[in-house]
Amino acid sequence: GNSVTQMEGPVTLSEEAFLTINCTYTATGYPSLFWYVQYPGEGLQLLLKATKADDKGSNKGFEATYRKETTSFHLEKGSVQVSDSAVYFCALKGQGGSEKLVFGKGTKLTVNP
Amino acid sequence: DTAVSQTPKYLVTQMGNDKSIKCEQNLGHDTMYWYKQDSKKFLKIMFSYNNKELIINETVPNRFSPKSPDKAHLNLHINSLELGDSAVYFCASEGASGYTFGSGTRLTVV
Repeated sequence: GNSVTQMEGPVTLSEEAFLTINCTYTATGYPSLFWYVQYPGEGLQLLLKATKADDKGSNKGFEATYRKETTSFHLEKGSVQVSDSAVYFCALKGQGGSEKLVFGKGTKLTVNP
Repeated sequence: DTAVSQTPKYLVTQMGNDKSIKCEQNLGHDTMYWYKQDSKKFLKIMFSYNNKELIINETVPNRFSPKSPDKAHLNLHINSLELGDSAVYFCASEGASGYTFGSGTRLTVV
């Protein structure tokens, strides 16, 4: 079945550091790929998505590129802020209307001033 | 207006009790879900409903029974609560623009 593997945290960075959170997936065909963010005490919010190979999703300074050849969708941000502290989830949804959204285990990011 | 709203936000109850969590979406979406998030933040799908019909049941114990009176509501009823049921439960709906999640219900079984 479909699955997502993302780097385990926690990740602790200083403000303005470069962020990478690795995510790889296993799926047949061409799934859609997502990054969700969960701020403390809140639900999940869609951060960005990509629906086909070589697409780049971007939002709030975060980027991720759908790499079919390496089955990856790594999340990056050039300069993190304290307000980026949250748990980040990589997810995929397979092709087909009945496919469910499958999440990775989440990576907790803490950004210190 | 909250797009996906869950009630209650917090629920503390004793083992063996029966409790319900309600979810409502005002987005006009046909598909709704329940996810369980454990203490390690791992998210696992429990159920999916499309227009009031059950689509996915991920081998959840039959103490958990979802009910969808209409496509805007998907409630979760849990019988004979156990300590291991303690978690955060998220409702979500799915439309053309993707998934929208509620803010979660933190269930603590004591």
